[in-house]
Amino acid sequence: GDSVTQMEGPVTLSEEAFLTINCTYTATGYPSLFWYVQYPGEGLQLLLKATKADDKGSNKGFEATYRKETTSFHLEKGSVQVSDSAVYFCALRDTGFQKLVFGTGTRLLVSP
Amino acid sequence: SQTIHQWPATLVQPVGSPLSLECTVEGTSNPNLYWYRQAAGRGLQLLFYSVGIGQISSEVPQNLSASRPQDRQFILSSKKLLLSDSGFYLCAWIRRSYNEQFFGPGTRLTVL
Repeated sequence: GDSVTQMEGPVTLSEEAFLTINCTYTATGYPSLFWYVQYPGEGLQLLLKATKADDKGSNKGFEATYRKETTSFHLEKGSVQVSDSAVYFCALRDTGFQKLVFGTGTRLLVSP
Repeated sequence: SQTIHQWPATLVQPVGSPLSLECTVEGTSNPNLYWYRQAAGRGLQLLFYSVGIGQISSEVPQNLSASRPQDRQFILSSKKLLLSDSGFYLCAWIRRSYNEQFFGPGTRLTVL
């Protein structure tokens, strides 16, 4: 079945450092890909998405490019802030029913 | 605009007691609805989804059940809670033909 693999956390960075969180997927067909963010004690919010190969999703300084050849959707940000500390989930939506398949999440900790 | 509500926000229950968590969606009709569980230190696990009133699909066999008595109401229940039922429960909805899945604020359940 479809699956998403994310890098293990936590990722610990200093403010203004460059961030990469790796995400790869296994799916039949051409799924849509998402990054969700979960701040402490809250539900999930959509951060960005991409619906086809070579699409780049971006929001709040975060970017991710849908790479079909490497089945990847890595999340990047050029300069992280303390307020970016959260858990980040990579997900794909199957082409059938619209279920989301999530990775295990990666916790990001940014220190001043 | 659409909003999704979950209650209660937090719940502490003894082992063997019953459970009822409620999720309601406003501002849309005929949504697909989902229950996820996030256990401590783990990713999101899809528990149930529903495409319409009275239609429930279970992803994982367990002592939980779900019901959809109204179009925009989704209920998660248990007759007897287990310690392993502790976790953060998230309700979500998606509007058909749209890509984005919206999440509620979650219910934190602790079973003692």
